Amino acid sequence: ELKVEQNPLFLSMQEGKNYTIYCNYSTTSDRLYWYRQDPGKSLESLFVLLSNGAVKQEGRLMASLDTKARLSTLHITAAVHDLSATYFCAVDGVNSGNTPLVFGKGTRLSVIA
Amino acid sequence: EPEVTQTPSHQVTQMGQEVILRCVPISNHLYFYWYRQILGQKVEFLVSFYNNEISEKSEIFDDQFSVERPDGSNFTLKIRSTKLEDSAMYFCASIGNEQFFGPGTRLTVL
Repeated sequence: ELKVEQNPLFLSMQEGKNYTIYCNYSTTSDRLYWYRQDPGKSLESLFVLLSNGAVKQEGRLMASLDTKARLSTLHITAAVHDLSATYFCAVDGVNSGNTPLVFGKGTRLSVIA
Repeated sequence: EPEVTQTPSHQVTQMGQEVILRCVPISNHLYFYWYRQILGQKVEFLVSFYNNEISEKSEIFDDQFSVERPDGSNFTLKIRSTKLEDSAMYFCASIGNEQFFGPGTRLTVL
């Protein structure tokens, strides 16, 4: 059974600081996703990582994937208040293509002045 | 850009009542999923639907739940007799080169 673990679950950081959120998963997978969710809202797709060593950046967020370590990171650079949200990683099941995503518990990020 | 839509955005119902949640997926997609998110918790898979039938379902998807695609466009999730613990956000996802999520329906069971 595929398990996805995120840490930390809660993160309070000051504006301007850097931090990394970690996502570990238990079995081989082809794709890893990062989503952002604002309170009461849907899931906004941030990144889709498809291969070992993949790195994608969008603004102050950068995601990477190490399939050998079964680890993805979401790095936040110089945080600003607008980044406050819950961030989920999700992994396709084995032999992906059309398999349901397994989500981590989410990291609730709060950026404070 | 095509998007997934869901109605209603919020549904309040009494325990024991039936509810139908509706989704309009992206038109050329063939796979659709329903997920559930209890407030403050992670997103959990409920059921997948392909070629007008269920292809996979989770333990959560018991006999109280059903899905269908009545008219070739809408994709519905029905809960026959709602319980308090069914209160959650329900997301529909339409599968292309990635999973496209709808805005969700917040179900509140009183």
